[in-house]
Amino acid sequence: SQTIHQWPATLVQPVGSPLSLECTVEGTSNPNLYWYRQAAGRGLQLLFYSVGIGQISSEVPQNLSASRPQDRQFILSSKKLLLSDSGFYLCAGSGGVPGANVLTFGAGSRLTVL
Amino acid sequence: GENVEQHPSTLSVQEGDSAVIKCTYSDSASNYFPWYKQELGKRPQLIIDIRSNVGEKKDQRIAVTLNKTAKHFSLHITETQPEDSAVYFCAARGYTFYNQGGKLIFGQGTELSVKP
Repeated sequence: SQTIHQWPATLVQPVGSPLSLECTVEGTSNPNLYWYRQAAGRGLQLLFYSVGIGQISSEVPQNLSASRPQDRQFILSSKKLLLSDSGFYLCAGSGGVPGANVLTFGAGSRLTVL
Repeated sequence: GENVEQHPSTLSVQEGDSAVIKCTYSDSASNYFPWYKQELGKRPQLIIDIRSNVGEKKDQRIAVTLNKTAKHFSLHITETQPEDSAVYFCAARGYTFYNQGGKLIFGQGTELSVKP
C-alpha cells in the first residue's frame, strides 16, 4: 500500500520569505502526485499534479511552484510568500497505472504567513 | 474546466437518523467517484468509491449511488453515530490517455454533525 510522507507539519513564515514543502512516497513506483491547498473554507483546491519526473501541471496561476526531481519526491516552493498563501497543504498520490485511482493523502503542512 | 458541486454545506442530524450528501459533476468523461471523510485537523481518508460502470455500492452503513445520465452521485449514511461527525468530500476524476489517471476534483465539502 502507498504511504505519503510530508513535512514540515507546521510552519510560520513572514511575508516575503521563501517556502519549501516536501513530500515523499513509499510503496508505489511511478505514482501520480498532487499538491492540494485547503483554506479555512474547507474546500480542497488542486494546485499542481505530476505524472512523472520533471512533469508538472499547474492548475491555477499563483505564487507557488512545484518540482519533481525524483520519482517519489514532490516539492512545493515559493520565492516570496504572500499572506494569501496561508493554509493547509496536502500532498497526495495515486498508483501510476490506469485504473489505480485511489488517492492517498499525507498528514498535511499547516502554513501561517504573518 | 471540470467542476464538482456539493450540497449541503452543513448537515445536522440526530443519532440514528440517515444523512444524505449530494454532488453533481460537469465532466461527462469522469469515470471514478470517491468519497472522503476528514476529521478536524486530520488528512482526508477514503471511505467509499464507485466507478462509472456501477450504479450503487454499499459498505455496511455507507452507500453511494451514481446517475451518469444526470451526472450526479450521492452518499448515504444510515444509523448515524456521533463518530460520523466530520467533513465529507465528494470527488470526480476524468480519464485521459495522456496522463494515465486524470485529475481528482473535489466538491466543497459537507460538515456533518451527529447529535447524541
